[in-house]
Parts: sequence; C-alpha cells; structure tokens
Amino acid sequence: GAGVSQTPSNKVTEKGKYVELRCDPISGHTALYWYRQSLGQGPEFLIYFQGTGAADDSGLPNDRFFAVRPEGSVSTLKIQRTERGDSAVYLCASSLIGRVSYNEQFFGPGTRLTVL
Amino acid sequence: AQTVTQSQPEMSVQEAETVTLSCTYDTSESNYYLFWYKQPPSRQMILVIRQEAYKQQNATENRFSVNFQKAAKSFSLKISDSQLGDTAMYFCAFTTHGSGNTGKLIFGQGTTLQVKP
Repeated sequence: GAGVSQTPSNKVTEKGKYVELRCDPISGHTALYWYRQSLGQGPEFLIYFQGTGAADDSGLPNDRFFAVRPEGSVSTLKIQRTERGDSAVYLCASSLIGRVSYNEQFFGPGTRLTVL
Repeated sequence: AQTVTQSQPEMSVQEAETVTLSCTYDTSESNYYLFWYKQPPSRQMILVIRQEAYKQQNATENRFSVNFQKAAKSFSLKISDSQLGDTAMYFCAFTTHGSGNTGKLIFGQGTTLQVKP
C-alpha cells in the first residue's frame, strides 16, 4: 500500500511569504505528527493530531505556525510571514493510534523549505 | 525534561565489520519505548529497531541489536557485518507510553555512519 506522502518535495520562498505544506497519511491512520528537522539535527516535534483535533500543539514555535486536519486524513502545515530561520525539512508521520499503546510511526519523505 | 543525547556526530566502519552507536537519555518515566531510526540521503526515516523499557531482554533485528542498560539510561545500537547500504544518519529516539501520552518522539542529534568498502 501507499506510504505517507508529502508535497511539495521542495519549496523555496522569500522572507515574509506564506507557505502551505501538505501531508497525506497512510489510509486508516488516525494519528498524525509533524516534526521539523534543521540541518544536521534530529527532528523536533511540532504538533500531533488524533483524528481531526490537535491533541498536542506544544511544539509549535510561535503563532506564525498553524496546522489543520479538517477531515481526519490530509493535514496542512501553514507558516505565515516566513523567516530565514524557518528553513528546514518538515517531516510528517502517521500511525494507527497515537497514544496509550505503542504504534509505529511511518514517516514521509519530508518537504525541504528554504526561505531566502 | 526528557532528553536524548548522541555524543558521536560521525562514525565510520569498514564493510563487514561491526560498529556500535551510543545513545543516552534522561527521563523520570518508568514506562517508555526507545528506538533507532535510519535516515538515508532520501530523507525517509526508517525504523531499525525498538525496545520496550519493561523488557530486560535486548531487542535484535537481523544484523542490528541493542544494548539496553535501564539503570544507566543507555541504549546503544550494534550493527554487525556492516554493509554499504547501512551508510546513513542514525537517530536514537524515545517516547513515553500509557494513558495521556501522545506518542510524540524525542530524537537525539544523530550520528552519521559511513560504511567504507
């Protein structure tokens, strides 16, 4: 079956612009995670969705970052007024159930965002 | 705060040899999972092996095995018979387990492993 997909693969934008990054999880996976990976670093948690609701958004760095998952499947990470420090690879992962019991997270290939 | 530390930024090994990657973590939780992920240049994060904290037996997956020392909060990865395809960045990761936890992963800084022919 299809894995987690993310679009676009690469995104180059100018400082101050708005961007949207899309994640298509594995069908049937109710849990969805966004992580941000800066160059040469490990991924850092941003936000977790259980179904349609953001159950944990403690990792979002500031109010310029926002994510939605309106139908409990596809998710969009939105970044307003981009800054050069937002340049990173944004990873999405999905799993059957996020909490309580362990379920493996399957990762997408990421979107590399470059803010000029 | 829960943290994961990988103190080896880069490692190299000859093909067919054995290499060990180190990881330490800090948590006050008693119920958790530990993982090793592989990230090749394609950026796709791939799960290599996982360990449940309540299990004393070290996990093994073919050429990959771990040395889990719970009291020392140490979780190292041993790769036997290294292959060129093992060249990648390796991340140690941690998540807590149980009601109220979200399953979010906390990653270390990574170790770049190069397997030389």
